[in-house]
Amino acid sequence: AQSVTQPDIHITVSEGASLELRCNYSYGATPYLFWYVQSPGQGLQLLLKYFSGDTLVQGIKGFEAEFKRSQSSFNLRKPSVHWSDAAEYFCAVGARGGGSQGNLIFGKGTKLSVKP
Amino acid sequence: GAGVSQSPSNKVTEKGKDVELRCDPISGHTALYWYRQRLGQGLEFLIYFQGNSAPDKSGLPSDRFSAERTGESVSTLTIQRTQQEDSAVYLCASSLVGGGNSYEQYFGPGTRLTVT
Repeated sequence: AQSVTQPDIHITVSEGASLELRCNYSYGATPYLFWYVQSPGQGLQLLLKYFSGDTLVQGIKGFEAEFKRSQSSFNLRKPSVHWSDAAEYFCAVGARGGGSQGNLIFGKGTKLSVKP
Repeated sequence: GAGVSQSPSNKVTEKGKDVELRCDPISGHTALYWYRQRLGQGLEFLIYFQGNSAPDKSGLPSDRFSAERTGESVSTLTIQRTQQEDSAVYLCASSLVGGGNSYEQYFGPGTRLTVT
């Protein structure tokens, strides 16, 4: 069965520091991969996605993520965190073809706090 | 254009009552999804509508849950005889046609349901 693991429930970083949020997935083939951000009281906003091709993908707000097939990982990175990045981040996978088209499997999320 | 909207934003109900949650997808989006987000958890897929096809109800947790969608417009999620474990944020998302782009889902702000 497909699953997504975000090992870090809560991370605190200082403003200006670099950030890496971990995501590992379990799936029989290469799935579609996503990172979403959820600010308090808001819906989810898509940060970036990987479908195919270049394994380093760029997203909005200065975020990037790298797909590593050998490690079944899709970690999210940002070189310099801003206070406004404080939010909850969700990694998600989608199955290629068949089944419930478009259904995403989400990790449990990583809450990011930013220290001034 | 307008994003996905949901109503009500908050709903408090007594155990045993029925509730209806509404979702207005982005105009032209043929796919619509309902997810449930319990406190501290990731998103749990409930149901998926795609055009005029039969909905995928595989994620509905019990027969107390049902959903309808009229054409490619509004959807309502109904929970009958609510239980305290139904307390969660219910998120609706919509997306364009199938294939990889189905996964670029646009989320509404959610309805926070509290069952007392």
